[in-house]
Amino acid sequence: DQQVKQNSPSLSVQEGRISILNCDYTNSMFDYFLWYKKYPAEGPTFLISISSIKDKNEDGRFTVFLNKSAKHLSLHIVPSQPGDSAVYFCAATTGANSKLTFGKGITLSVRP
Amino acid sequence: DVKVTQSSRYLVKRTGEKVFLECVQDMDHENMFWYRQDPGLGLRLIYFSYDVKMKEKGDIPEGYSVSREKKERFSLILESASTNQTSMYLCASSTGLAGGDNEQFFGPGTRLTVL
Repeated sequence: DQQVKQNSPSLSVQEGRISILNCDYTNSMFDYFLWYKKYPAEGPTFLISISSIKDKNEDGRFTVFLNKSAKHLSLHIVPSQPGDSAVYFCAATTGANSKLTFGKGITLSVRP
Repeated sequence: DVKVTQSSRYLVKRTGEKVFLECVQDMDHENMFWYRQDPGLGLRLIYFSYDVKMKEKGDIPEGYSVSREKKERFSLILESASTNQTSMYLCASSTGLAGGDNEQFFGPGTRLTVL
């Protein structure tokens, strides 16, 4: 049973435009959400996170929105840059321990 | 600068061999994790450890075992490698603090091919 879902396997965006990456979850016990970015042949690196007590968190070009009632979160990248081309993983945790549940990832391609 | 290192970037083994994947972190983290990443399947947790000599099964532990004799080192063992264990293996660590803002730091990964 997949508790964290990233239903779109890929996204292609023009440089300078907005990238919107979506993530849905089914476990209502999740109370913290993280986004990781992964380049080929490298380990994932932490990008941004959000607690369930918030509905928005912003860090530079990256903003994460959380809609708890819909069990949905999204990562917005504005403006998108070619260096943002990577695989993005959504992850969630109950906070009771350190275990993360990851989605399958979405491959973002930013076209120059 | 935080650092998680894995013993090999690329590894080729034969079916039936015993394989050891080593992971070392220098951040004095309590928690360590082993994942595998496969196309279309994302990151799947194999085993994790909250303390020395302690281990817990993740979502896909079959065919694997782990060892944590020292706090900084977490080893993944494939007792008898099979072709369906060909994958990218990722090690991660995090602090032992409870709470969601418990970022995991990942190593560069080991690309294992089993022939």
